[in-house]
Amino acid sequence: DVKVTQSSRYLVKRTGEKVFLECVQDMDHENMFWYRQDPGLGLRLIYFSYDVKMKEKGDIPEGYSVSREKKERFSLILESASTNQTSMYLCASSVRQGLTLSYNEQFFGPGTRLTVL
Amino acid sequence: EDQVTQSPEALRLQEGESSSLNCSYTVSGLRGLFWYRQDPGKGPEFLFTLYSAGEEKEKERLKATLTKKESFLHITAPKPEDSATYLCAVQRRYNTDKLIFGTGTRLQVFP
Repeated sequence: DVKVTQSSRYLVKRTGEKVFLECVQDMDHENMFWYRQDPGLGLRLIYFSYDVKMKEKGDIPEGYSVSREKKERFSLILESASTNQTSMYLCASSVRQGLTLSYNEQFFGPGTRLTVL
Repeated sequence: EDQVTQSPEALRLQEGESSSLNCSYTVSGLRGLFWYRQDPGKGPEFLFTLYSAGEEKEKERLKATLTKKESFLHITAPKPEDSATYLCAVQRRYNTDKLIFGTGTRLQVFP
């Protein structure tokens, strides 16, 4: 079974703090994704990485950065947390399209509920 | 613009009362359509992938179907443990690994 783990289930931070959210997958997937999920807005893609050190902006990258130094690990960084970044953050991974005959369903971690005060 | 719309937003069923959830999509070439289940406070759990119109997939009380413009998730004789939010997502055929998600249908099944 695919396993995607996230470093924290719940996190409380103060405005202006630097926040690191970590995600690890154990299925050797090429792709990793960071989403945020807010009521009524659904899942919105923040950043996407298709290989080590490679990244692509999603729909809402402002205020966030990412790091992928190893294939299995993808970090989301909030350089200076703000209250409007209070949300549920979800990490996902998938195989890369075209590299295998399988279709690339995304598999999600349990989520991190971040509250910025 | 590529878009995924799910309806209804919320659905309340009595245990055993069968129903369907709808996911309509507009996308420039469909590679796959995905259904997920999400319990409160947890990450989405993958259920099905559908690749072409006419395809059906089943898992316990759930059956997913696909046409050229929409997908249905049929729930037969639901139980309270089927209560969750059901998310639909599509992937475009060309040049992308990203998914476009709908906002989900929140299902509550009462005993």
